[in-house]
Amino acid sequence: GQNIDQPTEMTATEGAIVQINCTYQTSGFNGLFWYQQHAGEAPTFLSYNVLDGLEEKGRFSSFLSRSKGYSYLLLKELQMKDSASYLCAARSYNTDKLIFGTGTRLQVFP
Amino acid sequence: EPEVTQTPSHQVTQMGQEVILRCVPISNHLYFYWYRQILGQKVEFLVSFYNNEISEKSEIFDDQFSVERPDGSNFTLKIRSTKLEDSAMYFCASSVGEAGELFFGEGSRLTVL
Repeated sequence: GQNIDQPTEMTATEGAIVQINCTYQTSGFNGLFWYQQHAGEAPTFLSYNVLDGLEEKGRFSSFLSRSKGYSYLLLKELQMKDSASYLCAARSYNTDKLIFGTGTRLQVFP
Repeated sequence: EPEVTQTPSHQVTQMGQEVILRCVPISNHLYFYWYRQILGQKVEFLVSFYNNEISEKSEIFDDQFSVERPDGSNFTLKIRSTKLEDSAMYFCASSVGEAGELFFGEGSRLTVL
């Protein structure tokens, strides 16, 4: 089976840096995805990691440690529009589906 | 930029009625999915579809649910006899390959009364 854990809520200040952690347990791990979801909207793709290390994409970076079953999403220079839920999702071998965690709701305050 | 489109955006139906939710995936994508999200809960996998057949389905996807790709562009989810607990946002998604990221549509909000 698969299990994905991430904090339910986080708060941060505009301009700051925030790290959202995700731990996963899955048989035959084959990739970790991060999505952003604003309230009432569709999830939008942010990043993908399949090998250990850091992937940087503008203000957003994602890190993966396969041996620890751990990933984080790092958001720099926070903006008010970054207030959203951030969904961690994992994929296993021999399947094309993504399994999502419950999401971390981030609130950015001025 | 290509996108996944879904209709209707919102549908209200009576319990026991049939509902069809429609999706047009991105044109060069080969893998299609339906997910649902009950209000305040996580995004849950329902079914994946490839090469004109279901490749995987979850426990949620019981006999009341079916999917179809009636032509070269549309991908539909049918719920035969809706229940109150089917009220949710239903997201269609597609990907170019089995290892690629999923692109989601804006969702169809289903309310069962």
